[in-house]
Amino acid sequence: AQSVSQHNHHVILSEAASLELGCNYSYGGTVNLFWYVQYPGQHLQLLLKYFSGDPLVKGIKGFEAEFIKSKFSFNLRKPSVQWSDTAEYFCAVNNGNTGKLIFGQGTTLQVKP
Amino acid sequence: EAGVAQSPRYKIIEKRQSVAFWCNPISGHATLYWYQQILGQGPKLLIQFQNNGVVDDSQLPKDRFSAERLKGVDSTLKIQPAKLEDSAVYLCASSLADSSTYEQYFGPGTRLTVT
Repeated sequence: AQSVSQHNHHVILSEAASLELGCNYSYGGTVNLFWYVQYPGQHLQLLLKYFSGDPLVKGIKGFEAEFIKSKFSFNLRKPSVQWSDTAEYFCAVNNGNTGKLIFGQGTTLQVKP
Repeated sequence: EAGVAQSPRYKIIEKRQSVAFWCNPISGHATLYWYQQILGQGPKLLIQFQNNGVVDDSQLPKDRFSAERLKGVDSTLKIQPAKLEDSAVYLCASSLADSSTYEQYFGPGTRLTVT
């Protein structure tokens, strides 16, 4: 069965620090990969996605993620975080056939001003 | 463009009672999803509809949960009878079609507390 593992449950950073959130998935076939973000009091929204092509994908608000197929990983990065990046971040995959998303358990990011 | 609407936003019930949640997807979105998000976990798919047909309900506890999407637009999710472990946020999402590449748009969720 597909599964997604996020390594960090709670991350605390100061503004301007660099961010990397780990995500690993287990599935041997074609996958599509996503990062969703949930800001306090708001809906889940898509941050970025990877379907094919360049394994380095760029999303909104300066976020990027790199798909490394050999490591089954899709880590999220941002060079310099801002206080407004405080949110919960979810990595998710689907199997390339249907839209059903398998989510990781989420990482809470707290950015101190 | 209006987003995915859900109601109620919050609900508190006692165990063994019944409860229903409503979802109105984005206009024109053929695919509708219900997810359950327990505190500290990521969302888990309960059921997926394509228009008014069920695509995947493999993780829906069918002895107590039911869902329908009459006319292929709005959907309701019902729990009867509720258990303590059903306390969670119930998220509705919609997308243009049943495709792995289509973005899913999420509603605000209904926070259910079972006491």
